[in-house]
Amino acid sequence: AQKITQTQPGMFVQEKEAVTLDCTYDTSDQSYGLFWYKQPSSGEMIFLIYQGSYDEQNATEGRYSLNFQKARKSANLVISASQLGDSAMYFCAMRASFNNAGNMLTFGGGTRLMVKP
Amino acid sequence: DSGVTQTPKHLITATGQRVTLRCSPRSGDLSVYWYQQSLDQGLQFLIQYYNGEERAKGNILERFSAQQFPDLHSELNLSSLELGDSALYFCASSPLWGPSTDTQYFGPGTRLTVL
Repeated sequence: AQKITQTQPGMFVQEKEAVTLDCTYDTSDQSYGLFWYKQPSSGEMIFLIYQGSYDEQNATEGRYSLNFQKARKSANLVISASQLGDSAMYFCAMRASFNNAGNMLTFGGGTRLMVKP
Repeated sequence: DSGVTQTPKHLITATGQRVTLRCSPRSGDLSVYWYQQSLDQGLQFLIQYYNGEERAKGNILERFSAQQFPDLHSELNLSSLELGDSALYFCASSPLWGPSTDTQYFGPGTRLTVL
């Protein structure tokens, strides 16, 4: 069984500063994908960034980067130069490799990020 | 805008009733997934369809059913509704059904309130 743990229920960050949102995972699969999604107060789920288990380099997408430490089973999201619009819930998710048992995403409990002006 | 559409956006109904939620995937995507987000359970996978066939099932109640039609849109049917079914229901789509690289893009969700 797969499990995603996000230990920070809520965080504050000052505008223009960087912030790290923690995510640890547990899986016995060798091939898997890790995803981060943003959920603003309006409710939609917005895909931010993806990291594959065999990727040697950390993924980056604009101001988002993923600090992937495979041995520690962690996939922390780093947001640089925080903006007021970054205030939202952030979910870490994992998808197992191709198998008949299911290809769903398993989500963590989320971290609510609040950016202070 | 992810390209995934869901209707209706809001739905208010009474216990015991039946509702249908509709989802249209992104153009070209063959897989459709349904997820439920509630305060006590978080985000949970319900069911996946790929090109019209059921591929995977998660924590979906027997009162719930889904299907994917030849035009690839999907419907989630919820019957004998209970108060605890009140939640945000998401549809997501992806091009394929297997690789771990396959990103799922979410629709805006349908907020169901059961009174």
